[in-house]
Amino acid sequence: QSVLTQPPSVSAAPGQKVTISCSGSSSNIGNKYVSWYQQVPGTAPKLLISENNKRPSGIPDRFSGSKSGTSATLGITGLQTGDEADYYCGTWDSSLSAFLFGGGTKLTVL
Amino acid sequence: EVQLLESGGGLVQPGGSLRLSCAASGFTFANYGVSWARQAPGKGLEWVSSISGSGSSTDYADSVKGRFTISRDNSKNTLDLQMNSLRAADTAIYYCAKGWKDFGMDVWGQGTTVTVSS
Repeated sequence: QSVLTQPPSVSAAPGQKVTISCSGSSSNIGNKYVSWYQQVPGTAPKLLISENNKRPSGIPDRFSGSKSGTSATLGITGLQTGDEADYYCGTWDSSLSAFLFGGGTKLTVL
Repeated sequence: EVQLLESGGGLVQPGGSLRLSCAASGFTFANYGVSWARQAPGKGLEWVSSISGSGSSTDYADSVKGRFTISRDNSKNTLDLQMNSLRAADTAIYYCAKGWKDFGMDVWGQGTTVTVSS
């Protein structure tokens, strides 16, 4: 069981919006930056969001990140079938001295 | 273009050793911390280890502490992971990634597969 908690799955129709939550604690999300990763099955992960809400070059603004207290959220608007993938949150835990990934959320675009 | 290319994966017996390497290009390697992460078949991502840009600071997941050693050669732009006392639970795709701590991992390699089995 992961220290960072994500819903196992979310789904929405094309064109709609979806949010994926990531819940942690004061030793990780509460005091550290959160990053988000997209992984299409069979491929390497790709960084979507760094430092809570920064999009790397090439990531469309349909993807957004936010953080409040010990939780973080990834938002995806204008859903496309190509967005179907597994999404992971990640952050450093200062008590464990370890990087943590959430358990992952499978996005289905119906 | 920033690139990371892993090598060294393969089939190894339980209790055996393997050394993974990651060749970096397209950025000033010594200026960045780098990490190893893995993904067991059908499972999620698991962080394995990270090393600072200078190599002076390292961190390990509890699951590999004492068995794996991360190192880097900034003159050759390479990152290594020495894996000893391998277990079936270490079977996974191993990725190297640019980045460490809570700054995130912004570039990933394509991965190399390690299978621990008799």
